[in-house]
Amino acid sequence: QVQLVESGGGVVQPGGSLRLSCAASGFTFSSYGMHWVRQAPGKGLEWVAFIRDDGSNKYYADSVKGRFTISRDNSKNTLYLQMNSLRAEDTAVYYCAKRGYCSPTNCHYYMDVWGKGTTVTVSS
Amino acid sequence: EIVLTQSPGTLSLSPGGRATLSCRASQSVSSSYLAWYQQKPGQAPRLLIYGASRRATGIPDRFSGSGSGTDFTLTISRLEPEDFAVYYCQQYTTSPPYTFGQGTKLEIK
Repeated sequence: QVQLVESGGGVVQPGGSLRLSCAASGFTFSSYGMHWVRQAPGKGLEWVAFIRDDGSNKYYADSVKGRFTISRDNSKNTLYLQMNSLRAEDTAVYYCAKRGYCSPTNCHYYMDVWGKGTTVTVSS
Repeated sequence: EIVLTQSPGTLSLSPGGRATLSCRASQSVSSSYLAWYQQKPGQAPRLLIYGASRRATGIPDRFSGSGSGTDFTLTISRLEPEDFAVYYCQQYTTSPPYTFGQGTKLEIK
């Protein structure tokens, strides 16, 4: 079955760095764009970043642009999120999610499969 | 950036009732690129509806989506105990950011 498993979360001091991973299985990873979405404690969902299937294009929320980098290794079926210059407001559960389907004419960028998430806490 | 506003913030209903959740966009959502998700405490979100009205795989037919342009609705007919959760709408037009609404909490009355 389709599965996404995040790892790499933890406690980090403000200004520090962390790299999240998302291991994918049960589908052809290299054929799908992938998202990162986060949820601060008690808050709603916030889209963070998206990467196309071949890694050719990457998009970021303004709140993380210049600090976070999304990447992927299709040979390892793994998605990454490198987070630098972390701030207290980056504290959240981070989810990776698979992009929806593509028709011959366009793709749908909703999130049809989600991982269980990994928790990042930025605190001194 | 398209801003999505969901209403009401909290909806209190009884099992067996009918829930109507609203999602309004600050500008037109092209091609009805609007999705709905359900999230229960401690769990990841689950896709319910995409393309404004298409049910995702395995979603019961008591869940239905409608709307176009700037106004969208998620309707849950015949509420089951497991339907009480938080619901989010999300727009996914071709250009990011892919924004979410702030959520509607559906609670048992």
